[in-house]
Order: sequence, then C-alpha cells, then structure tokens
Amino acid sequence: EAGVAQSPRYKIIEKRQSVAFWCNPISGHATLYWYQQILGQGPKLLIQFQNNGVVDDSQLPKDRFSAERLKGVDSTLKIQPAKLEDSAVYLCASSNRAGANEQFFGPGTRLTVL
Amino acid sequence: QKEVEQNSGPLSVPEGAIASLNCTYSDRGSQSFFWYRQYSGKSPELIMSIYSNGDKEDGRFTAQLNKASQYVSLLIRDSQPSDSATYLCAVEGQGFSFIFGKGTRLLVKP
Repeated sequence: EAGVAQSPRYKIIEKRQSVAFWCNPISGHATLYWYQQILGQGPKLLIQFQNNGVVDDSQLPKDRFSAERLKGVDSTLKIQPAKLEDSAVYLCASSNRAGANEQFFGPGTRLTVL
Repeated sequence: QKEVEQNSGPLSVPEGAIASLNCTYSDRGSQSFFWYRQYSGKSPELIMSIYSNGDKEDGRFTAQLNKASQYVSLLIRDSQPSDSATYLCAVEGQGFSFIFGKGTRLLVKP
C-alpha cells in the first residue's frame, strides 16, 4: 500500500511570495489533515477535510492560507503572501475514520521563507 | 484553550532500561489518545493508540490511560538506542479537534 505523498520536499521563497504544497493521501482514506510543525514543537493542525468538506479549519490563518481538496482525493495548501514566521515543515496526513482515527503522515515539505 | 502537555526532556535512560513518557491533557471530553515517534528530520509515525482506561500493550510498548486524571503515558521496556527519538502525544477531543503535545525527546545510551 502506497503511503501519503507530498511535494515538493523542500521550498525556499522570499517573504511576500506565494507557495503551494500538494498532498495525495493513502488510497481510500476519507480524512485528510494539514499540519504545520515549527522546529522544536509538535505538529499544529491547520485544516481537516472529510472527503471534500472542511471539518475543522479553526487554526488556519485564513488571511494568507488556503486549502482545497477537490474530488475528495488530493489536496493543495497555499500560502499567499508568505511571512518569515511561516518557515516550518508542512505535514499532510490521512486516516480512515471508518475505524480508529489513526493518522499516517507523509514526508512533509520543508519551507524556508527568507 | 485545549492543551496537551509533555515534558520536553531530554529523558536519558541506559540501554535495557524502562523509559516512561508522560502526557496530560485539558479537554475532559477527549476520547482518543495516540503516541507517535518522530526521528530527527522525519515525519511522525504511529506507535500506539488507546481509547479506554487502563493499559494496552504492543510488544515493548505499553500505553496507559487514566481519564479521571487526564493523563496518558507510554512505557518502553528494554529500551534500545534505536528508540532515541522525540515522542509525541496526540489527543482527539470533542468535535474532531486534534492536538499534539510538543513532544519528549528520549535518549537511550548504550
């Protein structure tokens, strides 16, 4: 079974530029999560999708972050414009809520904002 | 503000010893509890999940949950240097909220 795929793995941009991350979950997983992990901290949930609907986006900075999950499969997270404090690893995870909510993480995208 | 608290460590144990990792949470309505292991530069991987009070064992790992005390722990028996990593406690609260602690760094010394 293929795992969660993310791209790109690394991205370096200057502040005020825009950036987009892509995630393809494990086949059949209805729930998809985007997390932000700043160095030395635990992952912080940004947004949770159930199929193509948003379950929780309470911690998503909506003035600059947006996410979509068209057709209930892969997802894109965008930042526009980026700030220095957005430097972090962006993790995508998926789970099959038919059972326990055990999440499987992709390799992450390391974003550096200069 | 719902919180998940962990001692950041590092927790240092000798090889072969038992490592005990602790986590407390603030949302009394939380139902699901997870332990993830994260090696430096890698993404988290699930070790254990626990949903009811008591102990749950899986190989060298034992998760313990006490909902009355809002406390969950992870015991690692016969610790190995390969267990050296950051251990993240995660809690799923009411309304599907999902919160991770900051993690405890474990060092197992040969």
